[in-house]
Amino acid sequence: GAVVSQHPSRVICKSGTSVKIECRSLDFQATTMFWYRQFPKQSLMLMATSNEGSKATYEQGVEKDKFLINHASLTLSTLTVTSAHPEDSSFYICSARPPTPDRENQPQHFGDGTRLSIL
Amino acid sequence: SQKIEQNSEALNIQEGKTATLTCNYTNYSPAYLQWYRQDPGRGPVFLLLIRENEKEKRKERLKVTFDTTLKQSLFHITASQPADSATYLCALLHTGGFKTIFGAGTRLFVKA
Repeated sequence: GAVVSQHPSRVICKSGTSVKIECRSLDFQATTMFWYRQFPKQSLMLMATSNEGSKATYEQGVEKDKFLINHASLTLSTLTVTSAHPEDSSFYICSARPPTPDRENQPQHFGDGTRLSIL
Repeated sequence: SQKIEQNSEALNIQEGKTATLTCNYTNYSPAYLQWYRQDPGRGPVFLLLIRENEKEKRKERLKVTFDTTLKQSLFHITASQPADSATYLCALLHTGGFKTIFGAGTRLFVKA
């Protein structure tokens, strides 16, 4: 079964709307979660690293005021796309990695993504 | 800058044949290399991980090689099936690293 659950799977909304995407780890507590954006036929681009109880770490070029991340518990991280515009339309995917000492040896578990379409 | 290259063109093969996908990287010294499968409209699913000191890793019909001299990994699917049709992503992570870098993936089509 799914280890990471992402909701909603698809959102269609008008320009100017703010959209919240939830990412939950189901089988383990995730102090860190990752948010990616993927355009068609392109690689996953890391947007930010979500840290439980502290501020998210954003990648260069990603507007933190545009993409608000909240990691309020060990099993839930949310990404809010504020005042979304058509250029924000994309496939957003979250992931989490089990908290083991050799974290590099652990694969990431991904949600099924959220298809965001801004009209 | 760090770069991962995977064949951008789709790979079409006949059922039963072996599919071989390539991942090349530059300006990077990964300690770990992973392969994921991604189906349309879905998130990636982990398949295999290989460490820099390992030459080859196998799991059922899957085989991964890792050549740190050539900076290349090959991903093989033997006795391929139509259900193997998907996009396969190569991902790199270095020791102590926290962020995984992904390639754009190669689309595989297995024809019955």
